Amino acid sequence: DAGVIQSPRHEVTEMGQEVTLRCKPISGHNSLFWYRQTMMRGLELLIYFNNNVPIDDSGMPEDRFSAKMPNASFSTLKIQPSEPRDSAVYFCASSALYGLHAYEQYFGPGTRLTVT
Amino acid sequence: AQKVTQAQTEISVVEKEDVTLDCVYETRDTTYYLFWYKQPPSGELVFLIRRNSFDEQNEISGRYSWNFQKSTSSFNFTITASQVVDSAVYFCALAEYGNKLVFGAGTILRVKS
Repeated sequence: DAGVIQSPRHEVTEMGQEVTLRCKPISGHNSLFWYRQTMMRGLELLIYFNNNVPIDDSGMPEDRFSAKMPNASFSTLKIQPSEPRDSAVYFCASSALYGLHAYEQYFGPGTRLTVT
Repeated sequence: AQKVTQAQTEISVVEKEDVTLDCVYETRDTTYYLFWYKQPPSGELVFLIRRNSFDEQNEISGRYSWNFQKSTSSFNFTITASQVVDSAVYFCALAEYGNKLVFGAGTILRVKS
């Protein structure tokens, strides 16, 4: 089975530009998570969805960040406008809500974002 | 509020030594889940184990073992006969509602040959 797929793997953009990160969760998983990892702040949960519905977005830094999950197999995280302090690795993860492996989150390879 | 403390910032060992990574957590819930993840130098996060609060049995998987002690709110991870490939950052995490993980700061493990 394919794992969590993220694209792009690397993104370099200029301050003020819009950035869209994409994620395809593991088939059959019904929870999806967006995390950000930096040296200063470690791993932070930005937002998560259950059954395509946003449950908790309290980790989203500010209004410049938005996330959508239009269907069970696709999610986006958008930053508009981007700022240098948004530079980080962004991870997407998915998990099942039920079953033997419930709550085990499996991570994608991450997107390394650099905003200049 | 949930909190996970990994007091060891960095550990260095020589190959074949045993090493234990400490994890202490805080939660007010009686139902919760504990996790360990590995992040090798390549950067991906690899799931290692999930343990729920009702299951205090220790677990062994090859060279890896986990010791869960509710009395001390600890969930420690031991690697036996460490290898260079074990070099990574290891994260302990806690979820009160199953879904929302709170991660510790991580412990950098360096295994030297």
